[in-house]
Amino acid sequence: AQSVSQHNHHVILSEAASLELGCNYSYGGTVNLFWYVQYPGQHLQLLLKYFSGDPLVKGIKGFEAEFIKSKFSFNLRKPSVQWSDTAEYFCAVIPTNAGKSTFGDGTTLTVKP
Amino acid sequence: DGGITQSPKYLFRKEGQNVTLSCEQNLNHDAMYWYRQDPGQGLRLIYYSQIVNDFQKGDIAEGYSVSREKKESFPLTVTSAQKNPTAFYLCASSMPPGRMNTEAFFGQGTRLTVV
Repeated sequence: AQSVSQHNHHVILSEAASLELGCNYSYGGTVNLFWYVQYPGQHLQLLLKYFSGDPLVKGIKGFEAEFIKSKFSFNLRKPSVQWSDTAEYFCAVIPTNAGKSTFGDGTTLTVKP
Repeated sequence: DGGITQSPKYLFRKEGQNVTLSCEQNLNHDAMYWYRQDPGQGLRLIYYSQIVNDFQKGDIAEGYSVSREKKESFPLTVTSAQKNPTAFYLCASSMPPGRMNTEAFFGQGTRLTVV
């Protein structure tokens, strides 16, 4: 069975600081990878996704993530965070040949103005 | 508007009662999912269905039941056997695995409180 590990449970940054949230997964086969974001009081929504091709993927609001297959990692980055990035962030993986997706425990990001 | 609708938004239940949470989607997605979200524990998969009239247990299926009689609908019943049912429940849908667009679309959630 696959698993997803998000190393940072709560991250506090000042505006304009750089962000990197760690995500590692365990699964022996091919996977699709996702980052989702949940802003306060809103639906969970897709931030970015990786299916194949260029391992550096760009998402909404200036976020990007890099898939490093050898490290089973899919870390999320943003060079300069804003107060409006305050939210909970979830990494998720779904094997390409199976129906069950797995989410990490989530990282709460607080950006101080 | 295409999307996923969960109802009700808030639900209160007495101990010992079963309760059914509704989830409807008009995205024409084959796959549907139920998650439970607890603080510090992320999203845990309860049940999922990849096609009508078929569903599989997720990681925490005990005390829950589902049905998938229609493509658009995937109701979740929280039974009295669920020992700790107070939680936030999220429904999601997606295209099935193996397709390009397998990202999940989520509903607004139902907050269930047992009193």
